[in-house]
Amino acid sequence: GENVEQHPSTLSVQEGDSAVIKCTYSDSASNYFPWYKQELGKRPQLIIDIRSNVGEKKDQRIAVTLNKTAKHFSLHITETQPEDSAVYFCAATSNAGGTSYGKLTFGQGTILTVHP
Amino acid sequence: EAQVTQNPRYLITVTGKKLTVTCSQNMNHEYMSWYRQDPGLGLRQIYYSMNVEVTDKGDVPEGYKVSRKEKRNFPLILESPSPNQTSLYFCASSFVWEGLRNEQFFGPGTRLTVL
Repeated sequence: GENVEQHPSTLSVQEGDSAVIKCTYSDSASNYFPWYKQELGKRPQLIIDIRSNVGEKKDQRIAVTLNKTAKHFSLHITETQPEDSAVYFCAATSNAGGTSYGKLTFGQGTILTVHP
Repeated sequence: EAQVTQNPRYLITVTGKKLTVTCSQNMNHEYMSWYRQDPGLGLRQIYYSMNVEVTDKGDVPEGYKVSRKEKRNFPLILESPSPNQTSLYFCASSFVWEGLRNEQFFGPGTRLTVL
């Protein structure tokens, strides 16, 4: 089955700096890669996702890049703000048919702290 | 308001006492899923359902059962809970559009303690 590794487990930055979180996956059939943000005591919420037919996607201060050959994808947050402090999870799944269809495997999470 | 609801939100129980955590969504989503969240392990998928009467195992299904008799409901059943099932549980749902999965909407979570 799919295995997703996420690094680093904790990340501390100063306000205004950039933050990068990296994930690797094992199943070459995976083709949908969402990122979720979970604030303390809250439910996870989607912040950005990417499908395997594109290499990069941006949404304001957030971007995700995907390297299918190397099987890794990254979340980039620019001009970080204290409200970006949260736990971030990457995930991978296959939208193709087959036995893995419907499964969603998450990384272990990254605790991001943005200091004012 | 479009939402995923779970009940109960908090539950303390004892080993072996059967319990059910309910999950309901009002967005007409085909796909529903259950996850457990444990420190350092992220979110791990327990079971998922692609549509009514279609369920399948996730990565950690042992000790759990589910059913999908109606599109809006996806209850999680622990027939004989054990202390290692103490965790934070999330239900989630999403559309399946042209066979593709999309954004999952999560419920508020259920914190379960098994003594």
